[in-house]
Amino acid sequence: KQEVTQIPAALSVPEGENLVLNCSFTDSAIYNLQWFRQDPGKGLTSLLLIQSSQREQTSGRLNASLDKSSGRSTLYIAASQPGDSATYLCCTTTDSWGKLQFGAGTQVVVTP
Amino acid sequence: EAGVAQSPRYKIIEKRQSVAFWCNPISGHATLYWYQQILGQGPKLLIQFQNNGVVDDSQLPKDRFSAERLKGVDSTLKIQPAKLEDSAVYLCASSPGQGGETQYFGPGTRLLVL
Repeated sequence: KQEVTQIPAALSVPEGENLVLNCSFTDSAIYNLQWFRQDPGKGLTSLLLIQSSQREQTSGRLNASLDKSSGRSTLYIAASQPGDSATYLCCTTTDSWGKLQFGAGTQVVVTP
Repeated sequence: EAGVAQSPRYKIIEKRQSVAFWCNPISGHATLYWYQQILGQGPKLLIQFQNNGVVDDSQLPKDRFSAERLKGVDSTLKIQPAKLEDSAVYLCASSPGQGGETQYFGPGTRLLVL
């Protein structure tokens, strides 16, 4: 059974600093790994999806890396802004039907 | 393009009562998912439909939870009778194909069982 762990559980940084969020998983036989953002009272929004054959994905200030062999992924957010405050969730897919296994998330606060 | 719609947004009930949640996925999306997210945890898949059929309901507590997807479009999730530990946010998501692509999530229904 896939176990997904996110460290730290919470993080507070001043505006402008770079954010580094970590995710680890126990089963390396994944189809893909995704990072989601969750705002209070709202659903999840997909940020980046990395296929198992890829090493990283980038979108604007966001970059996510994937190391399947070590069971790790890292989400980097450059030059953080107060609008980046949210909970960030990492999840893997280990079957072709797309069943997602989520970590508990990292709650991020960016202070002005 | 309209997103995934869910109702109600909030619900408070007493234990042993029943409750139902409704989800309308993005038009044309074949796959629909229901997740349960307990405070401080990541979402957990309860049931996955592809069109009318159930793909995965291995984590659905079938003694009290039921779900259906009529005509391969809207879906309802029911809890009867509710327990205190069912207090959570229930998220509905949909994806275009048979799974494995990005899922689009609704805003969720927050349930409090007293």
